[in-house]
Amino acid sequence: AAGVIQSPRHLIKEKRETATLKCYPIPRHDTVYWYQQGPGQDPQFLISFYEKMQSDKGSIPDRFSAQQFSDYHSELNMSSLELGDSALYFCASSLRVSTDTQYFGPGTRLTVL
Amino acid sequence: EDQVTQSPEALRLQEGESSSLNCSYTVSGLRGLFWYRQDPGKGPEFLFTLYSAGEEKEKERLKATLTKKESFLHITAPKPEDSATYLCAVQARWGKLQFGAGTQVVVTP
Repeated sequence: AAGVIQSPRHLIKEKRETATLKCYPIPRHDTVYWYQQGPGQDPQFLISFYEKMQSDKGSIPDRFSAQQFSDYHSELNMSSLELGDSALYFCASSLRVSTDTQYFGPGTRLTVL
Repeated sequence: EDQVTQSPEALRLQEGESSSLNCSYTVSGLRGLFWYRQDPGKGPEFLFTLYSAGEEKEKERLKATLTKKESFLHITAPKPEDSATYLCAVQARWGKLQFGAGTQVVVTP
């Protein structure tokens, strides 16, 4: 079965640089979520989109922005990167913004030097 | 404020030694409770969704149960391949999942 695709899988950036993470949800899924997982921590919700509209916002820094496109893929844009942004970034998708199960992608490991 | 607490933090089991993981939660209006398995450096893998107290679900050696205040994940006769971190998450509104800190399970042959 098709799964959530994330790219790139690994990304190394310098401080103050910009990064763009991409997420391709499971076909027919209309909702995308972004989570950040620091070393030894549980995933923290950042932001979600339903039918290309932002549906919820969590602890996402103002330096980060995201959007969902007409083909339902989503991009997380991160600017003025800081050392503390080094983490695993997961995208999850579900069929609708309800209690439908969120399926997670393999993640993008971002390292900020 | 919504809270999810998992215990124990870590669990070391001998192969075949059954045990239970606990997830206690405080949430305003639970819409669903989810169990995921996560291997190091990988994305959480969905295991179960529970919606109401009294509900139970099983998959191979795993069984999840739900009460009004907590959920249990029972691992029966575990094998080394069951070694992973097990994450519990609650959903109270708009799809956002709030995770517990997880239980790291190690099963030795």
